[in-house]
Amino acid sequence: AQKITQTQPGMFVQEKEAVTLDCTYDTSDPSYGLFWYKQPSSGEMIFLIYQGSYDQQNATEGRYSLNFQKARKSANLVISASQLGDSAMYFCAMREVPYSSASKIIFGSGTRLSIRP
Amino acid sequence: KAGVTQTPRYLIKTRGQQVTLSCSPISGHRSVSWYQQTPGQGLQFLFEYFSETQRNKGNFPGRFSGRQFSNSRSEMNVSTLELGDSALYLCASRPRDGATNEKLFFGSGTQLSVL
Repeated sequence: AQKITQTQPGMFVQEKEAVTLDCTYDTSDPSYGLFWYKQPSSGEMIFLIYQGSYDQQNATEGRYSLNFQKARKSANLVISASQLGDSAMYFCAMREVPYSSASKIIFGSGTRLSIRP
Repeated sequence: KAGVTQTPRYLIKTRGQQVTLSCSPISGHRSVSWYQQTPGQGLQFLFEYFSETQRNKGNFPGRFSGRQFSNSRSEMNVSTLELGDSALYLCASRPRDGATNEKLFFGSGTQLSVL
C-alpha cells in the first residue's frame, strides 16, 4: 500500500532563508507521481510542483524545487529565499501511474511552515 | 476558467442530522474526489467519482456517500452526523485524461461543525 510520511509537524524559518521540507514515501509500483501542495489559512490547496518517478531531473517551479532521491524514496521540497507569504501548511502527495481504477492521490500529514520577519 | 466551487462554505449541524455538500468541478474535468481534513487525521481520501461512477473509496463508514451527475457536479452526503464528523471537506477535480503529471485542483472546502 502507498504511504506518505512527513516527519516535521512544524518549522520556523527566518525570512529570506532557504527551507527544506521533508517527505518520504512508500510504494511497490515503479511508476508514480509526487506532488507538493500549499494550504494557506484560507483552506484552499494550491499546487506547487510535480515530480514523476521516471523524470531524470529534479523538478523546479520558480522558488520551489524538489530534491528527488528515488533510491531513498524521498521527495523533499526546497523553498529558496522564503517570504512571509510562504507561511502555510505544506502537504506532500503521491499517485500511482498509469491510471487504474485503484489509482488515487494520498497525502502526508503536512508540515506547518512559519516564516519569521 | 472558473475554479472548483464548493457550497456551502460553512455548515453547522447537530448530532443525528444529515448533510449534503456540493461540488462543481472545473469545466471539462470529469473526475471529482472528496477529502476529509481534520487536525488529528490530516487529509483523508473519501471517494472519487468519474463519469457518474464511484471509482475509488477510502476507509469511511457507509454513512458517507456521494454521487456524480452527468454534468460532473458531485454531492457528498453524511447521514446520522457524529461529533467526529466535524472537519473541512475538500473537493478536488481533475481531467482524468491519462496525463502522468495530472494534478488535483481543489475548492476552498466546506467547514462542517457538528454540535
